Amino acid sequence: VQLVESGGGLIQPGGSLRLSCAASGSTVSSNYMSWVRQAPGKGLEWVSILYSGGTTYYADSVRGRFTISRNNSKNTLYLQMNSLRVEDTAVYYCARDSKGDDTFDIWGQGTMVTVSS
Amino acid sequence: DIQMTQSPSSLSASVGDRVTITCRASQSISTYLNWYQQKPGKAPKLLIYAASSLQNEFPSRFSGSGSGTDFTLTISSLQPEDFATYYCQQSDSIPFTFGPGSKVDIK
Repeated sequence: VQLVESGGGLIQPGGSLRLSCAASGSTVSSNYMSWVRQAPGKGLEWVSILYSGGTTYYADSVRGRFTISRNNSKNTLYLQMNSLRVEDTAVYYCARDSKGDDTFDIWGQGTMVTVSS
Repeated sequence: DIQMTQSPSSLSASVGDRVTITCRASQSISTYLNWYQQKPGKAPKLLIYAASSLQNEFPSRFSGSGSGTDFTLTISSLQPEDFATYYCQQSDSIPFTFGPGSKVDIK
């Protein structure tokens, strides 16, 4: 089982970016999938979850700006990030919950997003 | 939101030491508490789930306990590969929240 994130980079404040998380060895649509971020030198912050049934939730800090989605045919999870702020700078990890209990048992390697002018 | 605190924030220990890290939730979360291990530059790994269930890849020197608001992660005999930062996370309710982390380094 492997999760591979991509799409990070340097972006100006107010810009948009879409992160991808390609899964192999497991099916994105049948698991609960989350995004978790970590600002440089800081702790972990849960960002968003997409349940297998399609329900989504967001942290207050990103609600209305970020959208989580998936493409079942590509077995890929996405995070569309709009109106980016300097404080969104972080490594973004996708994480799988295979137990269905909101634990994150498999993590990707992360992709760095830097929001700076 | 449920706030998670951890203590200590950092500790120095020697190989073979017994290490205990505590995690406290701002309200009762039953046993919806997980622990993660993170090494520098790497993604976190699930270590313990449901407060006391050990993830398969980790050895039995790791253990977790607690319920309600107070939880403990114990390493019975610290090994060189255990030097890392440990985070607790509540999975009781959204938003899922993590503790600030406890860094274990070499004395």
